[in-house]
Amino acid sequence: DAGITQSPRHKVTETGTPVTLRCHQTENHRYMYWYRQDPGHGLRLIHYSYGVKDTDKGEVSDGYSVSRSKTEDFLLTLESATSSQTSVYFCAIRGTDTDTQYFGPGTRLTVL
Amino acid sequence: EDQVTQSPEALRLQEGESSSLNCSYTVSGLRGLFWYRQDPGKGPEFLFTLYSAGEEKEKERLKATLTKKESFLHITAPKPEDSATYLCAVQGPGGGNKLTFGTGTQLKVEL
Repeated sequence: DAGITQSPRHKVTETGTPVTLRCHQTENHRYMYWYRQDPGHGLRLIHYSYGVKDTDKGEVSDGYSVSRSKTEDFLLTLESATSSQTSVYFCAIRGTDTDTQYFGPGTRLTVL
Repeated sequence: EDQVTQSPEALRLQEGESSSLNCSYTVSGLRGLFWYRQDPGKGPEFLFTLYSAGEEKEKERLKATLTKKESFLHITAPKPEDSATYLCAVQGPGGGNKLTFGTGTQLKVEL
């Protein structure tokens, strides 16, 4: 357990509405990541952060934005949700003095 | 572009029947290869990191090996509790410690 929580754990929303997912860590890790997991695609990186207010894009960043105003929280926002963003979203942190990433429990998002 | 291919997609074993899962990769300068286990409805759980060809890591009934083109996850005398999806990921030379994942092997071990 890397001290990662995600909220909400489940969400159903409608097309066109804004959605924010939260990742919270308790161990002061510098690097945090957002992935989505879809059948047939595996885990794909959306955005990552390497410090407060420092973020960069991943492989599938279109339609998503992120913010990190404090070390412990990394927020993923879908400004206007679409059905193609229905997925399971995982947050991860990079462990201290290691390249290994540790994952949170996930958020299942359904966009109707 | 880094690529990871896992095979087979699904594997069904009898308890005690040993087998291997394959992870083939293409990356320009491997910094690390990672194995994870994922149970339904949960996040991936870290198993191993391998850094160079010839390296091996073991944990209980699992042993991971690495060559310059692929990695194997050997499962010896599996038990039903080993049933899960096993994910492989590679880290290339770019910044950010970014990982590229394969689509996983779904393992079911039956009594």
